Amino acid sequence: GENVEQHPSTLSVQEGDSAVIKCTYSDSASNYFPWYKQELGKRPQLIIDIRSNVGEKKDQRIAVTLNKTAKHFSLHITETQPEDSAVYFCAQWDDYKLSFGAGTTVTVRA
Amino acid sequence: DVKVTQSSRYLVKRTGEKVFLECVQDMDHENMFWYRQDPGLGLRLIYFSYDVKMKEKGDIPEGYSVSREKKERFSLILESASTNQTSMYLCASSSRGGATNEKLFFGSGTQLSVL
Repeated sequence: GENVEQHPSTLSVQEGDSAVIKCTYSDSASNYFPWYKQELGKRPQLIIDIRSNVGEKKDQRIAVTLNKTAKHFSLHITETQPEDSAVYFCAQWDDYKLSFGAGTTVTVRA
Repeated sequence: DVKVTQSSRYLVKRTGEKVFLECVQDMDHENMFWYRQDPGLGLRLIYFSYDVKMKEKGDIPEGYSVSREKKERFSLILESASTNQTSMYLCASSSRGGATNEKLFFGSGTQLSVL
């Protein structure tokens, strides 16, 4: 499938600090980039997405930025809280399917 | 809310057994997917289907097959289970067309152990 590289694989932040996760992709035709959050023992759920005609999108404390020229997109979480601790997956949509990154385990320290 | 139901939360099987993982969705979604989730490897696509009786190989189809006889049901089959198929299996569905075409709704997952 199309390659999506995600970094870092683990991220530990102090409560209240920001967290940033970056992904790069290879298929320049991709036009949809979602982020999924998976809490421990639960199913992945969509938290935010961005399309190629937009450079940035925000939803309360989370935001996603997209650089189509460089083929990378990032998730930004501000004012982190304990409930932000989870595994986060980036993905790109390719025709009828999503290709996911390897995931980032985020731990928010109290 | 969309409901994607996987028949088993935990399964333990023996090497060489034929294994069926079942998934049912209740939102009349056209697209259905099977992923496996392994630590450090993320979610890897095994097979997907965009219509009844249609199936497409994903990134890691070897050792698996699928069946989609009805729109709401998508089954993953391990013809002869092997220990390297021990994993968490996630089913997902999405609607074709419209603004939510690409949004996947996941089931709770089936943790399969092959001994």
